[in-house]
Amino acid sequence: GQNIDQPTEMTATEGAIVQINCTYQTSGFNGLFWYQQHAGEAPTFLSYNVLDGLEEKGRFSSFLSRSKGYSYLLLKELQMKDSASYLCAVIPGGYNKLIFGAGTRLAVHP
Amino acid sequence: ETGVTQSPTHLIKTRGQQVTLRCSSQSGHNTVSWYQQALGQGPQFIFQYYREEENGRGNFPPRFSGLQFPNYSSELNVNALELDDSALYLCASSQPGQRNSPLHFGNGTRLTVT
Repeated sequence: GQNIDQPTEMTATEGAIVQINCTYQTSGFNGLFWYQQHAGEAPTFLSYNVLDGLEEKGRFSSFLSRSKGYSYLLLKELQMKDSASYLCAVIPGGYNKLIFGAGTRLAVHP
Repeated sequence: ETGVTQSPTHLIKTRGQQVTLRCSSQSGHNTVSWYQQALGQGPQFIFQYYREEENGRGNFPPRFSGLQFPNYSSELNVNALELDDSALYLCASSQPGQRNSPLHFGNGTRLTVT
């Protein structure tokens, strides 16, 4: 089976750092994506990891450990506009079918 | 660069009816995928179209069907609507031949079945 787990909700303070974890068990692995989704809007691409290690892109970083089936998304210098759902998604097979987790709702407060 | 556009944005249907949702892919993208997102859940893969052919299908019954046209736009058809079909339907396009090509999502169609 395919299983992706993320915390349901997190809260953090403006200006702080937050780490959103994702663990996965899938039949195969061809990469992991993180998407951001504001309420009522489309998911937007944040990052892609296929090799172990850290990928940094501005205030957002994503880490992958394939042996542990684990990834995290790190958000630094949090802003109010970062309040959104964060979706972890894995490509298990040979084409661009994504298996999504249920998403983590992040609330950033002043 | 034109993004992914979907129509309509909202739709209300009655159980047993049929619905057609439409999607125009991002310029240069010939692969289109459809996802169903229930409230509070992540998107669930319905199927993918590449060069007008179905290229993979998720765990959805045959009453969910699709088409892709020569201009790469796509339709999702759902027959015999059920209450559980109420969801946000997302269309996503991607660049051909690149496994790590991120999906570009449209804003979705919110379908309510009463």
